[in-house]
Amino acid sequence: EVQLVESGGGLVQPGGSLRLSCAASGFTFSSYAMSWVRQAPEKGLEWVSAITGSSGSTYYADSVKGRFTISRDNSKNTLYLQMNSLRAEDTAIYYCAKSVAATHDFWGQGTLVTVSS
Amino acid sequence: DIQLTQSPSFLSASVGDRVTITCRASQGISSDLAWYQQKPGKAPKLLIYAASTLQSGVPSRFSGSGSETEFTLTISSLQPEDFATYYCQQLNSYPLTFGGGTKVEIK
Repeated sequence: EVQLVESGGGLVQPGGSLRLSCAASGFTFSSYAMSWVRQAPEKGLEWVSAITGSSGSTYYADSVKGRFTISRDNSKNTLYLQMNSLRAEDTAIYYCAKSVAATHDFWGQGTLVTVSS
Repeated sequence: DIQLTQSPSFLSASVGDRVTITCRASQGISSDLAWYQQKPGKAPKLLIYAASTLQSGVPSRFSGSGSETEFTLTISSLQPEDFATYYCQQLNSYPLTFGGGTKVEIK
């Protein structure tokens, strides 16, 4: 059974940093691209970032480029999102998702990030 | 970036109704489109990929069609468990983008 479990969310001050993790199980993690998608309170979905299975390529939304870094450790079956220079508008639930041809076929339950002073 | 415009943004319907949601892309994206369903407090769930392919386990009352710039999601006979918010997403080029969502509520 595919499982994705996000962690690392919490309350952080504007300008601060946070690292999210997504522990994967139930599939061959290194064979699949992975993505982060976020959802601000009472808002729609926003794709944030993606990484190929081999970590050879990474992609970012314009809104986070230069501030967020996606990475993965295939030996630990874990996806990461390093978030720096956080802003109030980064407040959201962050989901990790397994990707097949960029389609997000399985999602975690999400972790809440709140940026506030 | 490719923009996706969903319509309507809100839809009120009854059980048994046929429901159609439209997603328009700002440029041609071939069939590189997916549809997701999201219920309150839950993660999104993949319904359809490649514009018209039903994800495994998804009821056959859901169907997708279209290509290039115009796509539709149809629910042939709305069931109580279908009341949710639906999103389209283009997978043609990065950055990936979602439509604004369509909330389907009970009339």
